[in-house]
Amino acid sequence: AQSVTQLDSQVPVFEEAPVELRCNYSSSVSVYLFWYVQYPNQGLQLLLKYLSGSTLVKGINGFEAEFNKSQTSFHLRKPSVHISDTAEYFCAVSGGSGGGADGLTFGKGTHLIIQP
Amino acid sequence: DAGVIQSPRHEVTEMGQEVTLRCKPISGHNSLFWYRQTMMRGLELLIYFNNNVPIDDSGMPEDRFSAKMPNASFSTLKIQPSEPRDSAVYFCASSLSIPYFGPGTRLTVL
Repeated sequence: AQSVTQLDSQVPVFEEAPVELRCNYSSSVSVYLFWYVQYPNQGLQLLLKYLSGSTLVKGINGFEAEFNKSQTSFHLRKPSVHISDTAEYFCAVSGGSGGGADGLTFGKGTHLIIQP
Repeated sequence: DAGVIQSPRHEVTEMGQEVTLRCKPISGHNSLFWYRQTMMRGLELLIYFNNNVPIDDSGMPEDRFSAKMPNASFSTLKIQPSEPRDSAVYFCASSLSIPYFGPGTRLTVL
């Protein structure tokens, strides 16, 4: 069984400041990790993914995440946020054959609030 | 590519009525997933298909829920009879290796 814990339900940040959204996972098998963003009344958009290889993953909109196997973490970072980054961010994990075949387990989400 | 297409985008119905949600996956994708999102429970995987075959429906909440995938281009999620606690946003996603989500169907059961 897999699980995902997003440690912060809400993160307020001033515009142009850096941000880190935390994600920890548990899994008994090799994992594949994802971050999705959800803007109000919209679907989920893929930000970035870790499938294998380099542990530092770069995604869209200037976001990046680092896979840390020893700490079972996959924290999301952005060096300078913009008002348009206000959204709900979801961390997700898939095991076995990857998210392509057997579905994702999601965290509860982190609401990123950008303050002017 | 048009992405994952879901219809209807919004559905309001009365308790006891049958509801059918529809999904057209991205062409060429061989896996399809149905998720439900609520404030209380977050995003939950209901059921998924590989090559049109249902693989795991353990997330389907009750026998009132059923899903079909008659071909690679179409899937339905049916609720019969519907209840107010079924009110949620239902997402369909398709994948070849990375899941891509549709815009969702917001279901309200009165």
